[in-house]
Amino acid sequence: QVHLVESGGGVVQPGRSLRLSCAASGFTFNRFALHWVRQPPGKGLEWLAIISHDGFKKYYADSVKGRFSISRDGSKNTLYLQMNSLRPEDTAVYFCVRVGYVVATMGPSDYWGQGTLVTVSS
Amino acid sequence: DIQMTQSPSTLSASVGDRVTITCRASQSISSWLAWYQQKPGKAPKLLIYRASSLESGVPSRFSGSGSGTEFTLTISGLQPDDFATYYCQQYNTYFYSFGQGTKLEI
Repeated sequence: QVHLVESGGGVVQPGRSLRLSCAASGFTFNRFALHWVRQPPGKGLEWLAIISHDGFKKYYADSVKGRFSISRDGSKNTLYLQMNSLRPEDTAVYFCVRVGYVVATMGPSDYWGQGTLVTVSS
Repeated sequence: DIQMTQSPSTLSASVGDRVTITCRASQSISSWLAWYQQKPGKAPKLLIYRASSLESGVPSRFSGSGSGTEFTLTISGLQPDDFATYYCQQYNTYFYSFGQGTKLEI
């Protein structure tokens, strides 16, 4: 049974940093690409970043490029999102998401975590 | 970047109705399109992938069609559990994008 469990959210002041984690289980971690997707309160879904199954390819949305960094640790079956220079508009629920095709970097999102809320406020 | 535009933003319907939601891409994405259902406070759930393939376990009243730049999600015989928000997503490039969502209301 695939599980993705995010952690690390909370309240943070503008300009500060935060690192989110996503613990994965129930599948062979190193064979699937993973994304981060966020959803501001009451709004739609925004794709943020993707990392390939082997960690060599990373792509970012323009809205977070240069501020956010995606990474993964195969020894811990964990995905990360390092968020720097946070802004109030980064306030959202952050979801960890799996790409549904083995070793592919493009594909539908077949499993989602429950999300972790990040609030950027002074 | 590829922009995805859904219509309508809100759709009112009744149990038993047949409804259609449209998603348009700013450039051709072949059939690399997925549809998701999201209920309040929950993560999205994959319904359709590759424009028309039904995800395992999803009821057959959901169907998808289209290719290129225009796609539709159809729900035939609405059930009470179907009232939710629906999103399309393209995965034609590494830079994924979602439509803005369609809220299906009773």
